[in-house]
Amino acid sequence: EVQLVESGGGLVQPGGSLRLSCAASGFTFKDYWMSWVRQAPGQGLEWVANIKRDGSEKYYVDSVKGRFTISRDNAKNSVYLQMNSLRAEDTAVYYCARVQSYGLDVWGQGTTVTVSS
Amino acid sequence: DIQLTQSPSFLSASVGDRVTITCRASQGISGSLAWYQQKPGKAPKLLIYAASTLQSGVPSRFSGSGSGTEFTLTISSLQPEDFATYYCQQLNSFPLTFGGGTKVEIK
Repeated sequence: EVQLVESGGGLVQPGGSLRLSCAASGFTFKDYWMSWVRQAPGQGLEWVANIKRDGSEKYYVDSVKGRFTISRDNAKNSVYLQMNSLRAEDTAVYYCARVQSYGLDVWGQGTTVTVSS
Repeated sequence: DIQLTQSPSFLSASVGDRVTITCRASQGISGSLAWYQQKPGKAPKLLIYAASTLQSGVPSRFSGSGSGTEFTLTISSLQPEDFATYYCQQLNSFPLTFGGGTKVEIK
């Protein structure tokens, strides 16, 4: 079964850091770009970052540039999101997703990040 | 950045109704548009890609059309399980962007 499972969410104070993980199974992970998408409470979807198959290219939404870093370990079939200098507006459910040229076709169940003092 | 504007943002409809949702892009994106369905507490699900291609396993009552800057998602006969929020997404260029969403509720 093709599956993505996120972990690492939690409560963090403003200015703090958190590292999200996404474990993939059921497909050849190294053959796919991967993505992180977030959804603030009661709000719509926001694309956060993409990473190329070999990690050589990374793209970010402006609001997280310089604070978040997407990475991957193809040997561990995992993609990560290192989040630093967290703000209240980063509070959201974070999803990882498999990228096809035409869309995000496989999604994890999401992990919740709450930034609050 | 390419902005996507969905309309309406909220739609009240009955089972069996034909429903159309529009997504307008701030600049041309060719056919690089996907549609997703999201139910409360769940991850989004890919419905349509390349503007008009049905994802495997998606019922044929869903269809998509359009190119350039204007796109539509149509549900030909609304079913109880279709009550959800629908999002468009452009994959033409980074940053990838989503529309604001259309919530389809039961009348």
